[in-house]
Amino acid sequence: GNSVTQMEGPVTLSEEAFLTINCTYTATGYPSLFWYVQYPGEGLQLLLKATKADDKGSNKGFEATYRKETTSFHLEKGSVQVSDSAVYFCACPNAGNMLTFGGGTRLMVKP
Amino acid sequence: NAGVMQNPRHLVRRRGQEARLRCSPMKGHSHVYWYRQLPEEGLKFMVYLQKENIIDESGMPKERFSAEFPKEGPSILRIQQVVRGDSAAYFCASSPPSGFETQYFGPGTRLLVL
Repeated sequence: GNSVTQMEGPVTLSEEAFLTINCTYTATGYPSLFWYVQYPGEGLQLLLKATKADDKGSNKGFEATYRKETTSFHLEKGSVQVSDSAVYFCACPNAGNMLTFGGGTRLMVKP
Repeated sequence: NAGVMQNPRHLVRRRGQEARLRCSPMKGHSHVYWYRQLPEEGLKFMVYLQKENIIDESGMPKERFSAEFPKEGPSILRIQQVVRGDSAAYFCASSPPSGFETQYFGPGTRLLVL
């Protein structure tokens, strides 16, 4: 089945630093790809998605480009804020309509 | 439009008791999914339901766990005779009939088994 692998954390950055969280996928065809964010003690929120190859998803200053050449969907943000501290999950759909998640990457942003 | 609602948010049970977790999907959504998140891990799919039907329960343990989504009322995830290893966060998600790939998550129920 389809799967995603994301870089392990934690990632610790200073405020206004550039963020990259790597995610690669293994899939049959070109399924949609997602980034979810989980703030402490809360559920997952859909951050952005891309529905086909070469698409770019963006939201709240975050971006990710669906690259079929490198089978990647890396999450980027040009200038992180303390409020971005959270756990980020890469995900893709799988057979049976389930989502398959990466292990999560914890981001800590220091003032 | 209210989001996915789950209750209770926190649940404490002693070993051997039953846990009932409830999920109300977003308005207009007829597909419900349950996921489990163990401490410091990602989410793992458990079960996918539509109204009155279990579509895929391949991720759910065969014993002690059951799920339903009745015609009226919320979806229920039931864990009988809980053990300490059941301690986790349980998340419900829903999607509309036309867009099953984009799932919207509730705040979760954090189950602690003493």
